[in-house]
Amino acid sequence: ILNVEQSPQSLHVQEGDSTNFTCSFPSSNFYALHWYRWETAKSPEALFVMTLNGDEKKKGRISATLNTKEGYSYLYIKGSQPEDSATYLCALPLIQGAQKLVFGQGTRLTINP
Amino acid sequence: ETGVTQSPTHLIKTRGQQVTLRCSSQSGHNTVSWYQQALGQGPQFIFQYYREEENGRGNFPPRFSGLQFPNYSSELNVNALELDDSALYLCASSLVGHQNYGYTFGSGTRLTVV
Repeated sequence: ILNVEQSPQSLHVQEGDSTNFTCSFPSSNFYALHWYRWETAKSPEALFVMTLNGDEKKKGRISATLNTKEGYSYLYIKGSQPEDSATYLCALPLIQGAQKLVFGQGTRLTINP
Repeated sequence: ETGVTQSPTHLIKTRGQQVTLRCSSQSGHNTVSWYQQALGQGPQFIFQYYREEENGRGNFPPRFSGLQFPNYSSELNVNALELDDSALYLCASSLVGHQNYGYTFGSGTRLTVV
């Protein structure tokens, strides 16, 4: 059974501050890791798909790192803005190439103006 | 290109009834997956369809069934509804072999069973 843990469950950050949160997973049988941003009443939006140990990806003020040997990924947001308020989900495919994603419970981020 | 659209957005059903949820996949995508998100949890995989056949199933009972049509749209059917089936149901599409681009999700159908 693949257990994906995200921490913290919720986070309140002041506008302009930077923040980060974690996705932890078993390091064995790793295939890929997905990060999604999910704004209220909208669809989850793919941010990154990471496959290689040491991967670092960036999209604007958001970046992510991956350590498959120790089983974690960090998502960083630099200079948080109100529009960053969302639930951030990480997910891993159970087997290679499969669409069966196992999701963490998400980190709910609220940016205070 | 259009995204994934789901219908209806909300519905209320009575315990024991049957429900059909619909999903139109993103143009060019040929696989569809369905997920259930209960309150406070991450989405849970229900099943996946590819080439109009079920191609992987999560830990859900047989009263959860689905269809994929030649245009790659899909339906999720749930029979004999139970109160615990109340959840947000998400549909996601992708193109086989392109999973590393991530999946495109719809905004979900909120099902309430009373």
